[in-house]
Amino acid sequence: AQSVTQLDSHVSVSEGTPVLLRCNYSSSYSPSLFWYVQHPNKGLQLLLKYTSAATLVKGINGFEAEFKKSETSFHLTKPSAHMSDAAEYFCVVSDSYKLSFGAGTTVTVRA
Amino acid sequence: DAGVIQSPRHEVTEMGQEVTLRCKPISGHDYLFWYRQTMMRGLELLIYFNNNVPIDDSGMPEDRFSAKMPNASFSTLKIQPSEPRDSAVYFCASSFWLAGPNEQFFGPGTRLTVL
Repeated sequence: AQSVTQLDSHVSVSEGTPVLLRCNYSSSYSPSLFWYVQHPNKGLQLLLKYTSAATLVKGINGFEAEFKKSETSFHLTKPSAHMSDAAEYFCVVSDSYKLSFGAGTTVTVRA
Repeated sequence: DAGVIQSPRHEVTEMGQEVTLRCKPISGHDYLFWYRQTMMRGLELLIYFNNNVPIDDSGMPEDRFSAKMPNASFSTLKIQPSEPRDSAVYFCASSFWLAGPNEQFFGPGTRLTVL
């Protein structure tokens, strides 16, 4: 069985400061891990994915995530938040064609 | 490519009515997924198809829900009869194997309101 726990339901940051979204996963196999972003009233967009290559994964819009097997974590970071980063972020794990979504982290960015 | 296309974007109906949601996957994709998103339950996988064949429908909530994929470029999700608790955003997503493991491309969703 596979599952994901997003440790923060809501994160608030000031524009220009770092963003950290935490995710722990559970999987019986070597998982594929993803971060998706959902802007208000929009569909989900892939930010980045980990598929057993480099443990530090770079994505779109300056985001990156580090896979740490020993900690079963896949935290998402961005050095400097922008107002356009305000959205909901989903950590996702998969060991097959089925995705298991975390509950989501809502990010607000203060001017 | 236009991406995954869903219609309608918004649907308001009355309890007991039949609702049909439509999806056009990205051309060349061989997997199609239907999801439901609610505040209470988050994102749930309802059903997925591979090469137009339903593979896993264990997420379909009950017999009122049915999904079909008559060809590689079209799928429907039908609710009959609809109930207020079916109100949610329904997403369609598609993927193909050569894109790597399980990356899915999502449509914009259909926001369903059942009164």
